[in-house]
Amino acid sequence: GQSLEQPSEVTAVEGAIVQINCTYQTSGFYGLSWYQQHDGGAPTFLSYNALDGLEETGRFSSFLSRSDSYGYLLLQELQMKDSASYFCAVRVFMTTDSWGKLQFGAGTQVVVTP
Amino acid sequence: DGGITQSPKYLFRKEGQNVTLSCEQNLNHDAMYWYRQDPGQGLRLIYYSQIVNDFQKGDIAEGYSVSREKKESFPLTVTSAQKNPTAFYLCASRTTGDGYGYTFGSGTRLTVV
Repeated sequence: GQSLEQPSEVTAVEGAIVQINCTYQTSGFYGLSWYQQHDGGAPTFLSYNALDGLEETGRFSSFLSRSDSYGYLLLQELQMKDSASYFCAVRVFMTTDSWGKLQFGAGTQVVVTP
Repeated sequence: DGGITQSPKYLFRKEGQNVTLSCEQNLNHDAMYWYRQDPGQGLRLIYYSQIVNDFQKGDIAEGYSVSREKKESFPLTVTSAQKNPTAFYLCASRTTGDGYGYTFGSGTRLTVV
């Protein structure tokens, strides 16, 4: 079967750096995505890694190691508005759709304190 | 502005009643999806559609039905056969181009009493 593991909660102070790890077990792997969701809101797309390495977009960076089935999301210079849930999602092969599908982890609640 | 509109935001229904959740997009996306979100769990795929008049079951389709009569619209019906329908329902769409991200609606929180 397929599984994704990420921590349930991380707490940090404003200005700090937080790393959210995601390990996965899946077949037909295409890439790893990250989404942010504020309480009761719509998940928003943050990043997608198909190849090994680090992708940087402003204060957020995402990393993938395909050989280790592992990735992480790095949040730098934390701000209060970064308090949200962060989901990793693997894009995997699907027989009925050539694009594949997204399989989501359970999410990591990031709590930023003053 | 382009986006996905889900309505209503909150919905209450009595047990045994069918209920339809609306999802409309003006992004000109071909693929659309319905996910269910429960507390402490990730998003689980209910149904998806790649083109008009075609849709496929996801991982937890039992007790749900959909239609795709127009590109812009992908309504989800939660039937009385769904044993535990109280949840947060999210609709999403995706371009068939090179983008790798889904665009999500703001969700409908369904409570069955």
